[in-house]
Amino acid sequence: DVKVTQSSRYLVKRTGEKVFLECVQDMDHENMFWYRQDPGLGLRLIYFSYDVKMKEKGDIPEGYSVSREKKERFSLILESASTNQTSMYLCASSLFQGVVEAFFGQGTRLTVV
Amino acid sequence: AQTVTQSQPEMSVQEAETVTLSCTYDTSESDYYLFWYKQPPSRQMILVIRQEAYKQQNATENRFSVNFQKAAKSFSLKISDSQLGDAAMYFCALYENQFYFGTGTSLTVIP
Repeated sequence: DVKVTQSSRYLVKRTGEKVFLECVQDMDHENMFWYRQDPGLGLRLIYFSYDVKMKEKGDIPEGYSVSREKKERFSLILESASTNQTSMYLCASSLFQGVVEAFFGQGTRLTVV
Repeated sequence: AQTVTQSQPEMSVQEAETVTLSCTYDTSESDYYLFWYKQPPSRQMILVIRQEAYKQQNATENRFSVNFQKAAKSFSLKISDSQLGDAAMYFCALYENQFYFGTGTSLTVIP
């Protein structure tokens, strides 16, 4: 089975801190995604990557950056955390083509105080 | 621009009954994928059913089936013989090099 693992389920950080959210997948997927999930807004794409060192902005990239140095790992970075970044963050991976399906991690509930 | 619309924020169904969740989407492509994902209260998002746009036959997975109307850009999910474990948030999604998600429908199953 495909496994997508996010480093933390719950995280509490202070305003202004630099925050790293890590995501690892074990199925050699080309695509990796970071979403933010808020009630009533569904899943909004922050960034995605279709290959090592490649990244594309999604719908809400402001205040975030990403890093993909290895195929299996995709990191989301909050450069200076703010209270409006309190949210659920979901990582996903998929093949680029063929039998396409998004596999999700368990989510990280980030609270910025 | 690609959009996915779920117009029912909340739905409820009696146990053992059938419920249909609605989804419409917009795309200019002819080749794409559509999905329904389920997110139970435990949060792990899992795939319920997938439909390739080039296939005319509606996908089915046990008690779950879809009504795919390509011309109308409609993709509804039918859950038959609803069970308590079906209670969850359901998201409709479109894939064209990236995934586009709707805002979700919260399904309650009444015993």
